[in-house]
Amino acid sequence: GAVVSQHPSRVICKSGTSVKIECRSLDFQATTMFWYRQFPKQSLMLMATSNEGSKATYEQGVEKDKFLINHASLTLSTLTVTSAHPEDSSFYICSARESPGINEKLFFGSGTQLSVL
Amino acid sequence: RKEVEQDPGPFNVPEGATVAFNCTYSNSASQSFFWYRQDCRKEPKLLMSVYSSGNEDGRFTAQLNRASQYISLLIRDSKLSDSATYLCVVNEAGNKLVFGAGTILRVKS
Repeated sequence: GAVVSQHPSRVICKSGTSVKIECRSLDFQATTMFWYRQFPKQSLMLMATSNEGSKATYEQGVEKDKFLINHASLTLSTLTVTSAHPEDSSFYICSARESPGINEKLFFGSGTQLSVL
Repeated sequence: RKEVEQDPGPFNVPEGATVAFNCTYSNSASQSFFWYRQDCRKEPKLLMSVYSSGNEDGRFTAQLNRASQYISLLIRDSKLSDSATYLCVVNEAGNKLVFGAGTILRVKS
């Protein structure tokens, strides 16, 4: 089955540094990838939709200059948390679809636990 | 009002019990519905899609009531391995997935 690889799985960094998270679709081409954030005991919140070759679409309340998304190829999307602060500590998960159909299964990466000190 | 609401639980049940989870959604234009399972600090995994006619997959039965904007998941003969957080997920118009906060299930021997 389709696999989405997310790296790194865990990051601990100092406040003010930038962190890059990679999301790769290993055996399919994903024209669209999604980035979510999940705080403890809360639901996954969609941050942005990443489209290959074009600018990402951000959800309301998500700062596009802080959460930089690049989707340069059909198999790779990256999320960079710039100048991270402790309040950015969260579980970040990417997902991808093989095709744009509404009932098409969504494949998730294994997530990145970000801890900002 | 949250777009997708679930009872957070936890539901503590003995092995072999039958347990039911409910979910309501606010957007009447929502087009498709799913139940996902999430283990602690892991990615969500699709458990099953939910169809208007209701559908069953082994010990799991899902039902959808569009008029009431209500979705349910029934788990029969609970196993220890069923312990997890169950996420109700709604695909709204515009192909946007909205996740509920999840219901925690703990199955004990």
